[in-house]
Amino acid sequence: QQPVQSPQAVILREGEDAVINCSSSKALYSVHWYRQKHGEAPVFLMILLKGGEQKGHEKISASFNEKKQQSSLYLTASQLSYSGTYFCGTSNQGGKLIFGQGTELSVKP
Amino acid sequence: GAGVSQSPRYKVAKRGQDVALRCDPISGHVSLFWYQQALGQGPEFLTYFQNEAQLDKSGLPSDRFFAERPEGSVSTLKIQRTQQEDSAVYLCASSLASVGYEQYFGPGTRLTVT
Repeated sequence: QQPVQSPQAVILREGEDAVINCSSSKALYSVHWYRQKHGEAPVFLMILLKGGEQKGHEKISASFNEKKQQSSLYLTASQLSYSGTYFCGTSNQGGKLIFGQGTELSVKP
Repeated sequence: GAGVSQSPRYKVAKRGQDVALRCDPISGHVSLFWYQQALGQGPEFLTYFQNEAQLDKSGLPSDRFFAERPEGSVSTLKIQRTQQEDSAVYLCASSLASVGYEQYFGPGTRLTVT
């Protein structure tokens, strides 16, 4: 079942912070976060695994609440380059990812 | 190569034609995934391989879709008798292993069926 992302869209000024949430109704093994700009491939940001391990870019932080099947992506001191659509992808077994519908982030000067 | 490559980048097919989309994964990546992305939507899983074995093909929308990875490296997604609803971007991703590792995506093939 597709995870639910919120908000659907957010507009920020440069330097502002944002939180994007991802919620699943199924028990999760891992949550993956990607950013996609128009016409480009999704770019890996962060992976969070059951048990607490996480890997990703230094400037990105995220959390994973295993009991609630929820993850949040924290974007701090946003830059213009952060603009794009953010997707969470969830996995409960095997390797396939089920992606949310996306959160469109727009950072303005 | 440095990243996942896909070809062609754009493909226009007439309804009823067969198409073949190629994916060249990152060297050494055992797992390879195919996703379909409609405009304004997130990627939707189609199928994945671990080496040459196709472990999950539950996302293939019909028996017109077929994927292979005969030598455990390059993969081809074939669509027979294309229909308009097949129009989408087809993304390929690879990872070191199927579970617990990040997936790196290629630039995709935009398929338009007229």
